[in-house]
Amino acid sequence: GNSVTQMEGPVTLSEEAFLTINCTYTATGYPSLFWYVQYPGEGLQLLLKATKADDKGSNKGFEATYRKETTSFHLEKGSVQVSDSAVYFCALFTNAGNQFYFGTGTSLTVIP
Amino acid sequence: NAGVTQTPKFQVLKTGQSMTLQCAQDMNHEYMSWYRQDPGMGLRLIHYSVGAGITDQGEVPNGYNVSRSTTEDFPLRLLSAAPSQTSVYFCASISGNTGELFFGEGSRLTVL
Repeated sequence: GNSVTQMEGPVTLSEEAFLTINCTYTATGYPSLFWYVQYPGEGLQLLLKATKADDKGSNKGFEATYRKETTSFHLEKGSVQVSDSAVYFCALFTNAGNQFYFGTGTSLTVIP
Repeated sequence: NAGVTQTPKFQVLKTGQSMTLQCAQDMNHEYMSWYRQDPGMGLRLIHYSVGAGITDQGEVPNGYNVSRSTTEDFPLRLLSAAPSQTSVYFCASISGNTGELFFGEGSRLTVL
């Protein structure tokens, strides 16, 4: 079946620290992979995506590389800011299932 | 640019009452879906639709009904509300061009 597993939170970092949020997946077929971000009181917004193996998605200083060999799509940022405090969701979409599958979300708090 | 619009944003129901969460999108997306978000559970798919007149069940469909009479609208009906349906509900649509999932701002439902 299809599923997404991401690291448990919450994560608390100091400003300018390095961020990694791990995400691994299982999927039938060839999924597209996504990171969504949810700021307090809002809906989810697309942060970045990758549609095939070895693609790197990037946006707002965040990056993630689609690794088929390790079935992973880890989110990284070199220097986090207070404004990055949010919940981050890893997700996959497969045409075979015609559905998105989400991880449980990782809450990030960045302190000044 | 309205995107995905959900109403109401907040609702309190008594057990056994029924209600409809409204969802409309103005992006001409064929695919629409409803999720519920619960702490520690991430987002779980309730129902989805790949076009007008077509609906299908997601992971947690029990207690909910949907219909899709137009491309724009995808209402979610709670037939007889239960405390277990206390949650935040998100409507979302997918761009057929980019595969991106666009979310509404969410509807917080409390069932007493």
